[in-house]
Amino acid sequence: EKVLTQSPATLSVSPGERVTLSCRASQSIRTYLAWFQQKPGQAPRLLIYDASTRATGIPARFSGSASGTEFTLTISSLQAEDFVVYYCQQYDNWPYTFGQGTKLEIK
Amino acid sequence: QLQQSGPGLVKPSQTLSLTCVISGDSVSSNNAAWDWIRQSPSRGLEWLGRTYYRSKWYDDSPQSVRSRVTINADTSKNQFSLQLKSVTPEDTGVYYCARDAGNGHNYPEFWGQGTPVTVSS
Repeated sequence: EKVLTQSPATLSVSPGERVTLSCRASQSIRTYLAWFQQKPGQAPRLLIYDASTRATGIPARFSGSASGTEFTLTISSLQAEDFVVYYCQQYDNWPYTFGQGTKLEIK
Repeated sequence: QLQQSGPGLVKPSQTLSLTCVISGDSVSSNNAAWDWIRQSPSRGLEWLGRTYYRSKWYDDSPQSVRSRVTINADTSKNQFSLQLKSVTPEDTGVYYCARDAGNGHNYPEFWGQGTPVTVSS
């Protein structure tokens, strides 16, 4: 099973700032990585797939990149509604797995 | 759209049963897969299994739950279901059904509303 490690668990940032979230895979997953956003009481929402492609309707301030087994989600200018939890997920190999999540909190 | 139903409270050692009704799509679609995923504070987001139709029915579950999970599709009702046997308090969490993006893109694009389930006597 391929393990995804997200860091940090919690990130304190200010609105308007740029933030980068990290997801590291235990072995190669090529670029079969997705990012999700989850608001309290809601199901996760797809943001990015294939490591860097924005899903339909996702604002341009969200972007993804990959370098080997290191993946990043960047939010260029944090809005109030972005202070929630983010998960990465690999779909290179079954069983598909999620990272443990990074929570953005307001500094 | 995916609409989930099922009990929110299950006794230990019993079977948890949930259903996901599909609208606007077909459970027999040849390019979609239908997933059950759960979320708990201790285990995070965890796949329980999936079913899909590619000229015949397939289903997969991770080794960790394989012996306890059954996922079935009902084409007459356009729905799929999850049965998890011999539950313990560790199975408490929010259960989601989902549809992947299709065409081999195995990430969940569409989600049900989630069903909170508590395992307790």
